[in-house]
Amino acid sequence: DIQMTQSPSSLSASVRDRVTITCRASQDITNYLNWYQQKPGKAPKLLIYAASSLQSGVPSRFSGSGSGTDFTLTITSLQPEDFATYYCQQSHSTPDTFGQGTKLEIK
Amino acid sequence: QVQLQQWGAGLLKPSETLSLTCAVSGGSFSVYSWSWIRQPPGKGLEWIGEILHSGGTNYNPSLKSRLTISIDTSKNQISLKLTSVTAADTAVYYCARKQLLVRPVFHYYYYMDVWGRGTTVTVSS
Repeated sequence: DIQMTQSPSSLSASVRDRVTITCRASQDITNYLNWYQQKPGKAPKLLIYAASSLQSGVPSRFSGSGSGTDFTLTITSLQPEDFATYYCQQSHSTPDTFGQGTKLEIK
Repeated sequence: QVQLQQWGAGLLKPSETLSLTCAVSGGSFSVYSWSWIRQPPGKGLEWIGEILHSGGTNYNPSLKSRLTISIDTSKNQISLKLTSVTAADTAVYYCARKQLLVRPVFHYYYYMDVWGRGTTVTVSS
């Protein structure tokens, strides 16, 4: 199985900050990488697919980049509703695997 | 707008069989693949398996011996059965639509773009 490792595991930031979350794959996954946001008690929500494509309806302050083994999710100008847990997921090969999550908290 | 409605038994005893159903409404059904994902309390997401639009299945190797995912196209429903459950199977279970994006040349991108609300399953004696 492909291992996905996110860093940091948790992050404190303020409204209007810019934050970056990193996801590393244990092998080359080209750009078969998706990002999800999850709020407490809710299902995950797709933010980014194919490493850098923004899902319809997702604000443009979210962006993704990377290829191969190293990927980033960037949120510019954090808004109160962005405080949540973020997961990366590879779809390069079965089984799909997720990172352990990055919890973004208000400073 | 596509909606996924899930249901199934929420409390099981060890060794029983977990059975969940996910009904799809408001959109196409047979052209998509459908996944199940679970999340133990306070932990991250684990992909359980999927049923493809072709009818084939892929399962997480860690669950494969106990798992069956099936589809009923006449009812637009997907089902999950997990046998011989233990406390380690306690989790919120989600169904999700697996979207496919094809880009040249021969790049097939899959991502889960619509999710059910989740069903909490507790295994306890």
